[in-house]
Amino acid sequence: NAGVMQNPRHLVRRRGQEARLRCSPVKGHSHVYWYRQLPEEGLKFMVYLQKENIIDESGMPKERFSAEFPKEGPSILRIQQVVRGDSAAYFCASSPGVGDSPLHFGNGTRLTVT
Amino acid sequence: QQQVKQSPQSLIVQKGGISIINCAYENTAFDYFPWYQQFPGKGPALLIAIRPDVSEKKEGRFTISFNKSAKQFSLHIMDSQPGDSATYFCAASMRGQNFVFGPGTRLSVLP
Repeated sequence: NAGVMQNPRHLVRRRGQEARLRCSPVKGHSHVYWYRQLPEEGLKFMVYLQKENIIDESGMPKERFSAEFPKEGPSILRIQQVVRGDSAAYFCASSPGVGDSPLHFGNGTRLTVT
Repeated sequence: QQQVKQSPQSLIVQKGGISIINCAYENTAFDYFPWYQQFPGKGPALLIAIRPDVSEKKEGRFTISFNKSAKQFSLHIMDSQPGDSATYFCAASMRGQNFVFGPGTRLSVLP
């Protein structure tokens, strides 16, 4: 009974490169959230997606960042032309999106931009 | 995204003591209030959750108290242990969607 799987766990990119973060939700979950967390800080909401739709992207910078959750396959958070300030832990969470259903989190991808 | 306020930002408790973390919300449409526990290097994990039609829920040493009229809820950790040292987040959601998180409380339990 696999939980939320995120890969890679650690990602190192040079400034200007692209970072692609993958999230496979719990089987049967159709809602995915992405959060960003700096060391010893809280969870900053980035984007909320359902299958093939972006529901709320109010927390995601308009430039360089994009997210998708296709009908088949994992959700992808893509950061183009990374800068040092993008270094953080990025967490994905999923839920079935109904009733008293909590979010299930992955263990995150730690992005380091050199 | 509606805001959820959380206090204190950090908390130090002696082993065996009671840890209390408070949260407040504005949107009365929220209908599910989970608490998450996060250890360093890990993702947040669900600890305990409550619905607004219940005033209290207890699971082991962890209790949620809920005050619907005041739009406040709190987490109580009884007999706090060093292993409880972690960051705790309260959250709220509507019909299983639109989750909003508090800023977190860093708890340190001294041996």
